[in-house]
Amino acid sequence: DQQVKQNSPSLSVQEGRISILNCDYTNSMFDYFLWYKKYPAEGPTFLISISSIKDKNEDGRFTVFLNKSAKHLSLHIVPSQPGDSAVYFCAAISANQAGTALIFGKGTTLSVSS
Amino acid sequence: ETGVTQSPTHLIKTRGQQVTLRCSSQSGHNTVSWYQQALGQGPQFIFQYYREEENGRGNFPPRFSGLQFPNYSSELNVNALELDDSALYLCASTAGGETQYFGPGTRLLVL
Repeated sequence: DQQVKQNSPSLSVQEGRISILNCDYTNSMFDYFLWYKKYPAEGPTFLISISSIKDKNEDGRFTVFLNKSAKHLSLHIVPSQPGDSAVYFCAAISANQAGTALIFGKGTTLSVSS
Repeated sequence: ETGVTQSPTHLIKTRGQQVTLRCSSQSGHNTVSWYQQALGQGPQFIFQYYREEENGRGNFPPRFSGLQFPNYSSELNVNALELDDSALYLCASTAGGETQYFGPGTRLLVL
């Protein structure tokens, strides 16, 4: 039973355009959400996060949107750059529980072509 | 500020053997979590250590065990290795907040 789902295994975008990566979750106890980027042979790198009390968080070219009623979040990258090509993982956490585990989706591979 | 480091980077073992993986947490971080990432999957939570005690565990058998030391570094031990244990093992640390910072991982191959 997957609690965090990234239904698109891959996404291809041209340089300069917007990349939109989607994530759905089922557990209503999740109250904090994170996006990580992973290059081959490296560990996941933290990108941006959002608390469930917000519906949007921006950091430079990256914006995360949260729709709690739909249990859906998305990561927007504008403008996309070739260096953004990587696997993007959505993760969720229930911060009130002890032993707080990040629950990850399976990832979306983003390819940005120049 | 030093990030999370892990050793070794790669390891090859045979079925039935035991393995120990090591992790040094980011400076100032007192909580360490371990994750297993199989090919094509997202990282799966194994367990978390806080102040040298196990602070939560995922759906992994008891042959996966760990330790945390007074300097907050940590070890993951896996006994009686199985072929399905072949994966990337990731260590992550945090100072108590929700954001966890990952090391580069140890790639384990079990033959």
